[in-house]
Amino acid sequence: GENVEQHPSTLSVQEGDSAVIKCTYSDSASNYFPWYKQELGKGPQLIIDIRSNVGEKKDQRIAVTLNKTAKHFSLHITETQPEDSAVYFCAASKAAGNKLTFGGGTRVLVKP
Amino acid sequence: KAGVTQTPRYLIKTRGQQVTLSCSPISGHRSVSWYQQTPGQGLQFLFEYFSETQRNKGNFPGRFSGRQFSNSRSEMNVSTLELGDSALYLCASSLFGENTGELFFGEGSRLTVL
Repeated sequence: GENVEQHPSTLSVQEGDSAVIKCTYSDSASNYFPWYKQELGKGPQLIIDIRSNVGEKKDQRIAVTLNKTAKHFSLHITETQPEDSAVYFCAASKAAGNKLTFGGGTRVLVKP
Repeated sequence: KAGVTQTPRYLIKTRGQQVTLSCSPISGHRSVSWYQQTPGQGLQFLFEYFSETQRNKGNFPGRFSGRQFSNSRSEMNVSTLELGDSALYLCASSLFGENTGELFFGEGSRLTVL
């Protein structure tokens, strides 16, 4: 089955700096790659997603890049703010149903 | 628009007991998925229901089961509880039955097995 690896497991950045989280996936048939943010005591919330026919997608301070050949995708957060502190998960999925395989998560701490 | 509602939010059970968790999806959403979240294993897919039919199932033992009702509300049941079943159980709903749209997660039901 699909396997998603996520690095780093923890990331500490200074406010205003950029944060980058990287994920690799194993199943070349995966075609949907969402990123979720989970705050303490809450469920994960989708922050951005990308499909296999697109190489890059941006939404304000957040961007995701996808390299299908290398089977890896990355989340970039620019101009980090304290409210960006949370656990971030990458995930991968094929077309059949909403079965997401998640990475292990990255705990991001933005220091003011 | 109300979000995904999960009940109960917290519960404590003892080994050998069974538990039923409930999930009310966002109005109009027909797909409901369940995930187990633990510190050691992370987020793992349990199963997904669409229009009352189980479409996908993860690698969990048969003690884990679920169902979906005609109003799209879903329940999951865990029988013969084990200590390792302690986890946050998350329900997510989606408008469609395929990964064509966003999954909206509830806040979860935190199960502690003693």
